[in-house]
Amino acid sequence: EVQLVESGGGLVKPGGSLRLSCAASGFTFSSYSMNWVRQAPGKGLEWVSSISSSSSYIYYADSVKGRFTISRDNAKNSLYLQMNSLRAEDTAVYYCARDGLAVADPFDYWGQGTLVTVSS
Amino acid sequence: AIRMTQSPSSFSASTGDRVTITCRASQGISSYLAWYQQKPGKAPKLLIYAASTLQSGVPSRFSGSGSGTDFTLTISCLQSEDFATYYCQQYYSYPLYTFGQGTKLEIK
Repeated sequence: EVQLVESGGGLVKPGGSLRLSCAASGFTFSSYSMNWVRQAPGKGLEWVSSISSSSSYIYYADSVKGRFTISRDNAKNSLYLQMNSLRAEDTAVYYCARDGLAVADPFDYWGQGTLVTVSS
Repeated sequence: AIRMTQSPSSFSASTGDRVTITCRASQGISSYLAWYQQKPGKAPKLLIYAASTLQSGVPSRFSGSGSGTDFTLTISCLQSEDFATYYCQQYYSYPLYTFGQGTKLEIK
């Protein structure tokens, strides 16, 4: 069974940093591109970042470029999101989501999410 | 960036109704369109991809159609468990994905 379990969320002050993790199981993690998607309270879904299976290709939404860093450790079946210079508008539930195997595929599995709250 | 616009943003329906949700892309995206269902406090669930292909395990009362810029999600006979928020997503500009703003389906 495919499982994605996020952790690392919490309360952080504006300007602070946080590192999210996503532990994957039930599939060959190293074969799939992975993503972070966020959802502000009461709002819609926003794609944040993508990383290819071997970390060769990395992409960010303009809203987080230069502040967030996505990475992965295929030996540990884990995905990460380092978030720096956090702002109030970064407050959201952060989901990790798996791409399909094709070059362009939607997200077929999602984690349960971890809440990040940026507030003084 | 490709913008995705859903309509309506919310509406009420009754169990047994046939409902249709529309998603429009700001430019042509061929059939690179997915639909997700999200229930309160839960992660989104993939329902349909490639505009009209049902994800494994999704009931056949869900169907999708369209290509280019205009797409629809239809639920042929609403069940109680279908009351949720639905999102479309384009993956044509992979990996710069964008979602629609969501359509909340409520019980009348």
